[in-house]
Amino acid sequence: EVQLVQSGAEVKKPGESLKISCKTSGYTFTNNWIAWVRQMPGKGLEWMGIIYPYDSDTRYSPSVQGQVTISADKSISTAYLQWNSLQASDSAMYYCVREGRASAGDYWGQGTLVTVSS
Amino acid sequence: DIQMTQSPSSLSASVGDRVTITCRASQSVSSSLNWYQQKEGKAPKLLIYAASSLQSGVPSRFSGSGSATDFTLTISGLQPEDFATYYCQQSYSTPRTFGQGTKLEI
Repeated sequence: EVQLVQSGAEVKKPGESLKISCKTSGYTFTNNWIAWVRQMPGKGLEWMGIIYPYDSDTRYSPSVQGQVTISADKSISTAYLQWNSLQASDSAMYYCVREGRASAGDYWGQGTLVTVSS
Repeated sequence: DIQMTQSPSSLSASVGDRVTITCRASQSVSSSLNWYQQKEGKAPKLLIYAASSLQSGVPSRFSGSGSATDFTLTISGLQPEDFATYYCQQSYSTPRTFGQGTKLEI
């Protein structure tokens, strides 16, 4: 059974760093792209970026380019989303999602809620 | 970036109704169009991929059609569990982009 299990909720202060994780199981990690999707409170889905764990090829949305880093550790089948300096506007729910057939998001993590507040 | 525009933004319907949601791309995405359902407080769920292919386990009352720039999601015979927010997404190129969502209400 394919599973994507995300790390727990985080409460951070502006300027702090953060790395959230998405641990996968039930399939060959290096065979599928993994994307990160943001959802701000009460808002729609926003695609942030994607990584191909086989060779760490990574693409970012222009809206987050330079603001976040997506990475993957093949040895533990885990993808990451990282910030060096959080802002209040980064407060959102973050989902990891596996791309399957036709590059559609067929399996989603349960979400990680990030709250940034002074 | 390819912009995705859904209509309507919200929709009121009743159990048993047939409803259609439309998604338009700012340029051709061929058939690389996916539909998701999101219920309150839950992760999105894939319903339709490649414009018209039903994801495994999804009821057959959901169907998708279209190509290039114009797509539709149809729910035939609404069930109480179908009241949710629906999103289209293009997977033709990066950045992948979502429509703004359609909230389906009773």
